[in-house]
Amino acid sequence: DVKVTQSSRYLVKRTGEKVFLECVQDMDHENMFWYRQDPGLGLRLIYFSYDVKMKEKGDIPEGYSVSREKKERFSLILESASTNQTSMYLCASSEGGAGEQFFGPGTRLTVL
Amino acid sequence: DQQVKQNSPSLSVQEGRISILNCDYTNSMFDYFLWYKKYPAEGPTFLISISSIKDKNEDGRFTVFLNKSAKHLSLHIVPSQPGDSAVYFCAAKSSGSARQLTFGSGTQLTVLP
Repeated sequence: DVKVTQSSRYLVKRTGEKVFLECVQDMDHENMFWYRQDPGLGLRLIYFSYDVKMKEKGDIPEGYSVSREKKERFSLILESASTNQTSMYLCASSEGGAGEQFFGPGTRLTVL
Repeated sequence: DQQVKQNSPSLSVQEGRISILNCDYTNSMFDYFLWYKKYPAEGPTFLISISSIKDKNEDGRFTVFLNKSAKHLSLHIVPSQPGDSAVYFCAAKSSGSARQLTFGSGTQLTVLP
């Protein structure tokens, strides 16, 4: 079974803090994704990566950056957290050009 | 501008009856569609998919129908069970962007015992 793990289930940070969200997958997948889920808006793609050290902007990249130094690990960085970044953050991975993505359990981030 | 729309935020059905969840899309480049199920405090899990060259795909109690001319797909769950209560997301993949999925806003299904 594919396993995608996220470093924290719940996180509370202060406005202006730098926040790191970590994601690890164990299936040697090429592609990794970061989404945020908000009520009524579904899942919105922040960034994705199709190879080590490669990254592509999704639909809402503003205020975020990412890092992929190893194939199995994809990090989401909030350079200076703001209250409008309070959300559920979901990491996913997939093989090559396949459609199906496998998701981690999510990190509920609250920015005060 | 949402390219994948789920216009019903919620749906309640009686146990044993059929649940029908609907999804509309606007992008003609979408060639593969997926349904995901999400329980609270868990990540979405893949449920069923359909290629644009088909109009129906069935897997046990779950069937997805695709109407390309109407740009509409639906997920049928028969019979519905209380354990099916979850948020269901419709997602689409574009032939022009092989890796990305575009998600709808989700429908909360509640199956009443």
